[in-house]
Amino acid sequence: AQSVTQLGSHVSVSEGALVLLRCNYSSSVPPYLFWYVQYPNQGLQLLLKYTSAATLVKGINGFEAEFKKSETSFHLTKPSAHMSDAAEYFCAVSGGGTSYGKLTFGQGTILTVHP
Amino acid sequence: GAVVSQHPSWVICKSGTSVKIECRSLDFQATTMFWYRQFPKQSLMLMATSNEGSKATYEQGVEKDKFLINHASLTLSTLTVTSAHPEDSSFYICSASPSMTGKRYEQYFGPGTRLTVT
Repeated sequence: AQSVTQLGSHVSVSEGALVLLRCNYSSSVPPYLFWYVQYPNQGLQLLLKYTSAATLVKGINGFEAEFKKSETSFHLTKPSAHMSDAAEYFCAVSGGGTSYGKLTFGQGTILTVHP
Repeated sequence: GAVVSQHPSWVICKSGTSVKIECRSLDFQATTMFWYRQFPKQSLMLMATSNEGSKATYEQGVEKDKFLINHASLTLSTLTVTSAHPEDSSFYICSASPSMTGKRYEQYFGPGTRLTVT
């Protein structure tokens, strides 16, 4: 079984400030981890993914995430928020066995960026 | 690359009618496609996994006779909501996993279909 917990359903930051979106996972096998972004009334866009290579993963739009096995975490960060980063962000885990290829999503975190 | 389209992007139908939603991978072949449902201000819930040429696998609690899934080719999967009711109103999103080795864990998402049943 696999699960994802995103801490904080809403995060608000000032433009130019650090963005930190938290994600903890549970998986019975080495996981693949993903961060997606969703803009209103749109599908999901892949920001970055961890697939058992480098633990620090760089994605699009200046985002990065670090896989920490000891903490079962995969937090998403961006050094300087931009107004266009305002969206909903989903962390997801994909495991092996009968769950291979299936994504389990976290509850989502809405990021608000204010001037 | 890795573009997935959905059609229609939005649809309004009357209660009791059926509606079909198409999901296409435009520039890659997808052995496996997934169908999700998203309620307002909620996360995505996996409804079913669709494998080309075989029957779909439904998640627990999803009525397979109500949500008919067909994956007839490596680039097309369809979801038909039969005898739709207002409670079926939702945002339906599909995703596709590339068939190529080493990429099967990846999913590329369509833009979603907003279904409103009146």
